[in-house]
Amino acid sequence: NAGVTQTPKFQVLKTGQSMTLQCAQDMNHEYMSWYRQDPGMGLRLIHYSVGAGITDQGEVPNGYNVSRSTTEDFPLRLLSAAPSQTSVYFCASSYRTATEAFFGQGTRLTVV
Amino acid sequence: AQSVTQLDSQVPVFEEAPVELRCNYSSSVSVYLFWYVQYPNQGLQLLLKYLSGSTLVESINGFEAEFNKSQTSFHLRKPSVHISDTAEYFCAVRDTGGFKTIFGAGTRLFVKA
Repeated sequence: NAGVTQTPKFQVLKTGQSMTLQCAQDMNHEYMSWYRQDPGMGLRLIHYSVGAGITDQGEVPNGYNVSRSTTEDFPLRLLSAAPSQTSVYFCASSYRTATEAFFGQGTRLTVV
Repeated sequence: AQSVTQLDSQVPVFEEAPVELRCNYSSSVSVYLFWYVQYPNQGLQLLLKYLSGSTLVESINGFEAEFNKSQTSFHLRKPSVHISDTAEYFCAVRDTGGFKTIFGAGTRLFVKA
């Protein structure tokens, strides 16, 4: 039972570099989301998807892109990393609106 | 827009004492409510949820939360905490017809021996 798998677990980027955070789930969940967690601010929604080919913005979308070409995968792209994007990123998936979200183990990103 | 306020950022408590972690939300529509727990260096996992029906919901490890619609609250309680309950707890809300789950800032529960 893999659940929600995020890679990498840790990453250090230089300002201006780009990268993709990977997220995959094997539970056939329709809904997938990306959050960032910062001290004292809880989890803030970056982008979310309600199914393959459908994505939408959350609370803090600037500087991030997403796509959902398959049900299983929901990658998060940082186009030009900035120090303000230093954070812990969590991917989550859920089956329907009435069910809980399942979270990955997180990616700790540092931008220097 | 929805929002969630967790009124305490940190709650220190002695082992075997009762604890209450407070959560208030704002929403103009019907909601589902959740409490998640995060242990150090891990992702979040569901503790309990309110979808409909009885306003008092319980978890398997002794936590309970009560949905109070008039006060728009969903406070989490445990009558006797253990050292192993030390973690960060997040309250979350989702519209019954929506897709986005909004989280509070979290409450760090620290249980002392």
